[in-house]
Amino acid sequence: ETGVTQTPRHLVMGMTNKKSLKCEQHLGHNAMYWYKQSAKKPLELMFVYSLEERVENNSVPSRFSPECPNSSHLFLHLHTLQPEDSALYLCASSQDLGGANEKLFFGSGTQLSVL
Amino acid sequence: SQKIEQNSEALNIQEGKTATLTCNYTNYSPAYLQWYRQDPGRGPVFLLLIRENEKEKRKERLKVTFDTTLKQSLFHITASQPADSATYLCAGMDSSYKLIFGSGTRLLVRP
Repeated sequence: ETGVTQTPRHLVMGMTNKKSLKCEQHLGHNAMYWYKQSAKKPLELMFVYSLEERVENNSVPSRFSPECPNSSHLFLHLHTLQPEDSALYLCASSQDLGGANEKLFFGSGTQLSVL
Repeated sequence: SQKIEQNSEALNIQEGKTATLTCNYTNYSPAYLQWYRQDPGRGPVFLLLIRENEKEKRKERLKVTFDTTLKQSLFHITASQPADSATYLCAGMDSSYKLIFGSGTRLLVRP
């Protein structure tokens, strides 16, 4: 285990639903990330939090809303999604942000299907 | 735009051979490159990091090189095993703090 836990592992939702993805890290890290991974595409960085402050919002549509209540927890709130939002959503953490020894610890992801 | 490119075609090799995967970067000069392994339905797992001033880094059967002239990193797995079959991702830090990932190369090691 990587020390980063994501729930749920799978999620099917309609375009009018509201759901939330949850991420928890047990590593004492200060930075947390949301990535989107679509088939055959590179990981896309969505949001970055450092010490609970959002430092990056990478032109993500407003139907995705992140929340970081403390340095161990990260949520991604979803509403009125589109079928093209179907993807694997990965949470990651790192000790700090942007250091030369930065390496990411990923959760197993939430496989999201939007019908 | 800053980009990391990896061969999208799967690499299919015989057990015991050396697998070599390529990562090319364009439009920027990453201070370091990272390599991750990803199994189906799982998140990527960090393997190795190599800095721009390091030509080569080794860890057990893994070796990574960094050629700033060619703007390329090579990732080698020696004495490959079927358990090495996975997708391998290359990533480089951009001018701020964001990791830019390639789309990965799938490796299949035949028994």
